[in-house]
Amino acid sequence: DAMVIQNPRYQVTQFGKPVTLSCSQTLNHNVMYWYQQKSSQAPKLLFHYYDKDFNNEADTPDNFQSRRPNTSFCFLDIRSPGLGDAAMYLCATSRGDGQGADEQYFGPGTRLTVT
Amino acid sequence: GESVGLHLPTLSVQEGDNSIINCAYSNSASDYFIWYKQESGKGPQFIIDIRSNMDKRQGQRVTVLLNKTVKHLSLQIAATQPGDSAVYFCAEIPAGNKLTFGGGTRVLVKP
Repeated sequence: DAMVIQNPRYQVTQFGKPVTLSCSQTLNHNVMYWYQQKSSQAPKLLFHYYDKDFNNEADTPDNFQSRRPNTSFCFLDIRSPGLGDAAMYLCATSRGDGQGADEQYFGPGTRLTVT
Repeated sequence: GESVGLHLPTLSVQEGDNSIINCAYSNSASDYFIWYKQESGKGPQFIIDIRSNMDKRQGQRVTVLLNKTVKHLSLQIAATQPGDSAVYFCAEIPAGNKLTFGGGTRVLVKP
């Protein structure tokens, strides 16, 4: 089945120790998104890639970076995680083909704990 | 650790009863709306969508109603089941723009 896959599902990192979360998709979608979701809140968009074009949200901290080496994979790098970065990180994809509404398909998320 | 978030509005419903979840959206230019269901520890899952040129759309056990006059969206779940327990988010997509989530509602189904 075509899907959005996130690894690992649970990640524990130490305060200040760089961490990378990964996302892959078999949907062949043009757009990939990274969201941060904290307890009892809606997902908050961090940035997205339209193909190779990177689009950062204005309020995304510099501590968060992303890479998309090819259509299928996208990575979220947190350079120096703080305690406030503990959250669920969701990857999503959308067709981005300009045909109709651009519905997003979400992965299962990675739960990040910072110790 | 993770910061404390806002308390989500919670709807408690008896198994077998109908549920109605409401959402107020902000952008009158939005032309596409989606309801997502998010179970604990999982990503949001698409339930149903509706275009702005419609006021009602039905799926399997779910109905979405759109009132553009007051910018209100609702999700009705018929014969609520224990598996319907989750957080439900509405989302809007303005033309040519990105999806924006509204606040969530937690649904608790009592046996």
